[in-house]
Amino acid sequence: NAGVTQTPKFQVLKTGQSMTLQCAQDMNHEYMSWYRQDPGMGLRLIHYSVGAGITDQGEVPNGYNVSRSTTEDFPLRLLSAAPSQTSVYFCASSYNTGGSGYTFGSGTRLTVV
Amino acid sequence: GESVGLHLPTLSVQEGDNSIINCAYSNSASDYFIWYKQESGKGPQFIIDIRSNMDKRQGQRVTVLLNKTVKHLSLQIAATQPGDSAVYFCAENPGTYKYIFGTGTRLKVLA
Repeated sequence: NAGVTQTPKFQVLKTGQSMTLQCAQDMNHEYMSWYRQDPGMGLRLIHYSVGAGITDQGEVPNGYNVSRSTTEDFPLRLLSAAPSQTSVYFCASSYNTGGSGYTFGSGTRLTVV
Repeated sequence: GESVGLHLPTLSVQEGDNSIINCAYSNSASDYFIWYKQESGKGPQFIIDIRSNMDKRQGQRVTVLLNKTVKHLSLQIAATQPGDSAVYFCAENPGTYKYIFGTGTRLKVLA
């Protein structure tokens, strides 16, 4: 049981480049989400999914896309990276949509120059 | 990681002492609360949770207290150890899947 696996751990992008942050979980969790963590701020929800084929926007969705073709995978795409997207990104999953807490991945530290 | 903790309040405690970390939550409709521990360079890790129909819950060396009147949550760690050094933050669930996360407190354990 690997839990929630995120790749890569570190990434440096140039402004305007695109990339995909990968997230996979092996716990058969229906709910998956992406958060960003910035200094002095709590985790902020980017996008979430309540099951395969279903995604929705969170608090800060602009500049990011997601898809959920399988229960296991929930990739986050940066369409055209901007310095404001420099952050640490966490993928999280849970068995249901509330009341059970999340299992977080170890994070991806992204720097956009 | 380290950059997340740059602007956080810090609690320094002596090894073996008890630690109390506080959190003020924002939404009076929140009915489920979680404390997370985040070590440097790692993702948040679930510590303990509590539902709004309780005011206290105990785990192994940790206790969470909930005061709904003043919207306050606290995490007590007994006999604090060096491995407890981390950033701790609370999360509240006002319904469904949209948790609200606090900014956190850095706990430093002094040898």
